[in-house]
Amino acid sequence: ETGVTQSPTHLIKTRGQQVTLRCSSQSGHNTVSWYQQALGQGPQFIFQYYREEENGRGNFPPRFSGLQFPNYSSELNVNALELDDSALYLCASSPDRVTEAFFGQGTRLTVV
Amino acid sequence: GIQVEQSPPDLILQEGANSTLRCNFSDSVNNLQWFHQNPWGQLINLFYIPSGTKQNGRLSATTVATERYSLLYISSSQTTDSGVYFCAVEPDFGNEKLTFGTGTRLTIIP
Repeated sequence: ETGVTQSPTHLIKTRGQQVTLRCSSQSGHNTVSWYQQALGQGPQFIFQYYREEENGRGNFPPRFSGLQFPNYSSELNVNALELDDSALYLCASSPDRVTEAFFGQGTRLTVV
Repeated sequence: GIQVEQSPPDLILQEGANSTLRCNFSDSVNNLQWFHQNPWGQLINLFYIPSGTKQNGRLSATTVATERYSLLYISSSQTTDSGVYFCAVEPDFGNEKLTFGTGTRLTIIP
């Protein structure tokens, strides 16, 4: 059984650019959530997708957007990158909306 | 939103010692998980424990949902246990998803 995989593992972008991060959910999981973890802090919830529909959003601006595809994989898009967007971005999948979540290895984004 | 507090923030122990990590939360929850974050950033699932007690080898966890706390026990610590331990909860009501505590950084000295 393949776990949650994220790509790329590391990324360096310039302020003002746009970035797309990708996540493949674990087999049989229909729910994907994205989290941002700044250095020295706990992960913060960005948004969740359930069966291709947004199912909750945290306190992040609209320039953070996402998609979930029919195979339940997902993308996180961030427009107009700011220096404070530098963080570890974590994707989690779960079999349903309120069940155990399993995390990928993360994408470390650096904005310069 | 729901508040999650973990204690202690830092813990330094000799190899072989036992430890107890605590997670307090401010509202009723339908999901509580404990994670160990490895040095590369991956969150490793330890327990899914919205209530009750579970054990897995040297680790065990107890959640007392009515009193809004959970405990993670680590016995006979090994250096590989070092890292940051997070508690995350999802409240019963509202649109909040997993909310993480600030973590406990555990350092095991040989």
